[in-house]
Order: sequence, then C-alpha cells, then structure tokens
Amino acid sequence: DVKVTQSSRYLVKRTGEKVFLECVQDMDHENMFWYRQDPGLGLRLIYFSYDVKMKEKGDIPEGYSVSREKKERFSLILESASTNQTSMYLCASSMGGPGIYGYTFGSGTRLTVV
Amino acid sequence: DAKTTQPTSMDCAEGRAANLPCNHSTISGNEYVYWYRQIHSQGPQYIIHGLKNNETNEMASLIITEDRKSSTLILPHATLRDTAVYYCIVRVANAGNNRKLIWGLGTSLAVNP
Repeated sequence: DVKVTQSSRYLVKRTGEKVFLECVQDMDHENMFWYRQDPGLGLRLIYFSYDVKMKEKGDIPEGYSVSREKKERFSLILESASTNQTSMYLCASSMGGPGIYGYTFGSGTRLTVV
Repeated sequence: DAKTTQPTSMDCAEGRAANLPCNHSTISGNEYVYWYRQIHSQGPQYIIHGLKNNETNEMASLIITEDRKSSTLILPHATLRDTAVYYCIVRVANAGNNRKLIWGLGTSLAVNP
C-alpha cells in the first residue's frame, strides 16, 4: 500500500527550539508539499518542492524552511519555534509532469509549542 | 484563481445517498474540480476529480453542470465511516510541474444511524 509517512503523530516543543518535521513517501512522486491546518483557516500551503533540491514558497513560508536532499524525503524546519506555530502539519505528495494527479497525504503531525 | 463555495455542514441518514454541492462560478475552461475528504485527525484523502464530464469511481460520483459553475459529489449509500469534512477544490495549474490546490473550509458531513 503506497503511503506518505510523517515521523511523528504528536510533538511538544519549547519556544525557541529548532524543530524538524520529517515526511517520507514511497511512491516515487516528484512533488511534495507541506501544509498547516488550523480551525477556521483550512489548509494553508507552507512550502512545496517539485524536484530534489528544489523548493518554492507557498502562501505562509515565514518562520519555516524546507529541505529535499532525496526524492522520497521532504523535511519542514521551524528555525525557532513560536507558540503561533502550534498547529496540525500535513505532508502530501503527487506525481509530476503535465498530467492531472491527486495528492496523497500523510496522517499529520500535531505540533504544540509551549 | 477560481474559488469554491460549499455549505458548512450537512446531515445524511445511513444508507441514503449523500449529495454534496459545490459552487465554482469563476472556474476557467482548463481548470479541474477535485474532491477530497478528511476524516477526523487524519490527512485528506483523494476521492475523485473531473473537467466537464460526469465521473464515477468506487468511492463516489461527480456531477458537473454543463456551464461548469457548480458540481455535486454523490456518495450513493452513505455509511457511518463517510462522516468527514469534504473539500471541493479547483485546480490551479502553475508553470512547470507546480500543482497548487486552493483549499476552502469544506462541508462537514454527518452520517447518522
């Protein structure tokens, strides 16, 4: 069964800590995405990548960075965690190319910054 | 970018058809309509997508009006496990391989026994 795996389901971090959220997909997908989801705001795109070592800013990149050293792995980094980054973080992947492809999502990481 | 409008919530009796509407009146000719659902505490799950013709798969049917300004997702025999938030999304195609989807707040469907 193909899947997107996020390394942690729940995470609690302290303000100012550097936080790494890991995402791995086993579908050989070119595109990978990081979203955060907050009540009343829906899913908001943080960063995405359409190739190894390539990244593009989404709608809310401030306070975040990403790394994609290998095709299957896309990491989200909170350089200095703050309480307003408490959220559900969702990773997704999709095939690349000119076709029309759906997203496959991971189960999410619920991050609490205290 | 085309936006979508969905009712905030809906109810459906178990075993009956659930018909979830979506308005996308500003959709352009080459934009697809996608449907996803999100069961509580899980990531969204792809259901179906279409351009102008009606589509059916093992999960649902998608009916798109002739003017493409609205669509309806049909779950023919809803079960309790179909209780979820359903998102109707219009695909925005950017340059290159970027495929950003714009997410609204969806419809919270409650299937009742």
